[in-house]
Amino acid sequence: AQSVTQPDIHITVSEGASLELRCNYSYGATPYLFWYVQSPGQGLQLLLKYFSGDTLVQGIKGFEAEFKRSQSSFNLRKPSVHWSDAAEYFCAVAGFMDTGRRALTFGSGTRLQVQP
Amino acid sequence: DSGVTQTPKHLITATGQRVTLRCSPRSGDLSVYWYQQSLDQGLQFLIQYYNGEERAKGNILERFSAQQFPDLHSELNLSSLELGDSALYFCASSVGDRGQFFGPGTRLTVL
Repeated sequence: AQSVTQPDIHITVSEGASLELRCNYSYGATPYLFWYVQSPGQGLQLLLKYFSGDTLVQGIKGFEAEFKRSQSSFNLRKPSVHWSDAAEYFCAVAGFMDTGRRALTFGSGTRLQVQP
Repeated sequence: DSGVTQTPKHLITATGQRVTLRCSPRSGDLSVYWYQQSLDQGLQFLIQYYNGEERAKGNILERFSAQQFPDLHSELNLSSLELGDSALYFCASSVGDRGQFFGPGTRLTVL
């Protein structure tokens, strides 16, 4: 069975500082990996995704993530955080279920707070 | 705006009752997914429909059921509601496996 671990429940950074949110996954084959962001009272917005190829993927809002197979990680990064980035961030893996179909499994989320 | 719509936005009901949540996918998306988000369980996949047929099942209770209609909108039916069913329910849609687009959610409160 697939699983996703986001070890940091809550992170606080200063505006303008760099950001890295950690994500580790467990899945036997090559995973499809995603990062989503959820602002308070909103649905989830897809930031970026990885399927294959270049292990550094670019997303929206200046975010990027790097897939490291050897570490089973897919960490999200941003070089300079803006106050509007304050939200909850979810890492997800899409692996095959018993049905032969892929299903998304989400991590527990990391809440990002941005200090002025 | 993801293009996925959900109604109602909020729903307050009593234990033992039955409710229906509605979702309209993005134009052209054949797959619809339902998720439950609660503080103690996090985001959990419930069920997927593809072009009117059930395709995958996750942690969906027997008291819950869903369907997808010919116009591709979907409904999630929750019955014999319990306090623990209070949660945010999200619908998502996609083309294939390469990224799901989420609706704004329905917040269900069971009193």
